[in-house]
Amino acid sequence: DTAVSQTPKYLVTQMGNDKSIKCEQNLGHDTMYWYKQDSKKFLKIMFSYNNKELIINETVPNRFSPKSPDKAHLNLHINSLELGDSAVYFCASSPGLYYEQYFGPGTRLTVT
Amino acid sequence: AQTVTQSQPEMSVQEAETVTLSCTYDTSESDYYLFWYKQPPSRQMILVIRQEAYKQQNATENRFSVNFQKAAKSFSLKISDSQLGDAAMYFCAYRSPSGGGADGLTFGKGTHLIIQP
Repeated sequence: DTAVSQTPKYLVTQMGNDKSIKCEQNLGHDTMYWYKQDSKKFLKIMFSYNNKELIINETVPNRFSPKSPDKAHLNLHINSLELGDSAVYFCASSPGLYYEQYFGPGTRLTVT
Repeated sequence: AQTVTQSQPEMSVQEAETVTLSCTYDTSESDYYLFWYKQPPSRQMILVIRQEAYKQQNATENRFSVNFQKAAKSFSLKISDSQLGDAAMYFCAYRSPSGGGADGLTFGKGTHLIIQP
């Protein structure tokens, strides 16, 4: 069974569209995250979500919004997509505040 | 803010030999957590090894071990008996205990490891 899953794995869309990426973890973890990996492979935290508390990296545009319907899910919504949003987006979860993070398989987003 | 530096963009090693990947970090905190993650071409991020800063003993996981030098803020990864399946990007990551711990990992830029058969 996949511990952290993301859908879709690939997403191609046009500028200006709105899209969502879903993330689910079946590990019973309390904290979930979204990371962005750019074309140079650099990984950067976007959001973390713990016990209904959302912490946003200040560099993330407000076009990006995470939504958590329950503890096992943290979906990423992106409005008005731009070319610079093209990247691989990773969801991750952690069993506690100070533990390692387990990553999903990533979603490659291409904006044309 | 913490920073993580991996000074080797690419490393190459012969199969069955040993290779060491370097990582340094900058922090003013005394307690923190360090990790090495592996990203093969499949792009899945895989945890390799973890080290708590309060532990003096270096972590070991089978063929993978670290050399943690807290005073020097250095956290290198040694891979022994390299195998073809070790070929991947390797990322060093720092986790701060501050901010409730919900501020994610700070990653280095990665080292691309090539295994020569």
